[in-house]
Amino acid sequence: LAKTTQPISMDSYEGQEVNITCSHNNIATNDYITWYQQFPSQGPRFIIQGYKTKVTNEVASLFIPADRKSSTLSLPRVSLSDTAVYYCLVGGASGSARQLTFGSGTQLTVLP
Amino acid sequence: GAGVSQSPSNKVTEKGKDVELRCDPISGHTALYWYRQSLGQGLEFLIYFQGNSAPDKSGLPSDRFSAERTGGSVSTLTIQRTQQEDSAVYLCASSSGFSYNEQFFGPGTRLTVL
Repeated sequence: LAKTTQPISMDSYEGQEVNITCSHNNIATNDYITWYQQFPSQGPRFIIQGYKTKVTNEVASLFIPADRKSSTLSLPRVSLSDTAVYYCLVGGASGSARQLTFGSGTQLTVLP
Repeated sequence: GAGVSQSPSNKVTEKGKDVELRCDPISGHTALYWYRQSLGQGLEFLIYFQGNSAPDKSGLPSDRFSAERTGGSVSTLTIQRTQQEDSAVYLCASSSGFSYNEQFFGPGTRLTVL
């Protein structure tokens, strides 16, 4: 299983850029990297997914170095509503659903 | 269109009773997943369905847990002889296929075993 490691928590202020890094040293060749966001009392919500280099959508960017052993989720100009838990998920290549493992995530707290 | 729905939203039961949790996935989604999330913890994978079959049941914590899916749609997670440690939020998700496709999550069922 591609184990992931993320910081347990991060604090930021409104308007700042936030970068959350996830380590996944034993990522498999065909694994994708996916990030989800979870608000209290809700199920997780897909944010962004990538395989290599950089991916950008309307809410975030995902940076993946050439060795793919880590990835960084970048949230531009966060607001209070971005306070949530962010999960890094690696897998999907081999057909084992257990590879789609959500770790403990990173609790991001955005302060006014 | 409608998202993933789960029922009930909350369930309080007594230790030793059986409970059934229901998940209605997004129409047309062939893959369905069950997860468990204890208070303040990450998601724990329980079981995955592709169509009506469950190729991966490896996450079920004990033989008291079972799940089925009928017609490639609705799924039921059953917990027999509930224990207090079963108390958690049970989340269901569906996707248009397995592998790395985006999973769409329901709101969850909060189970409390007294």
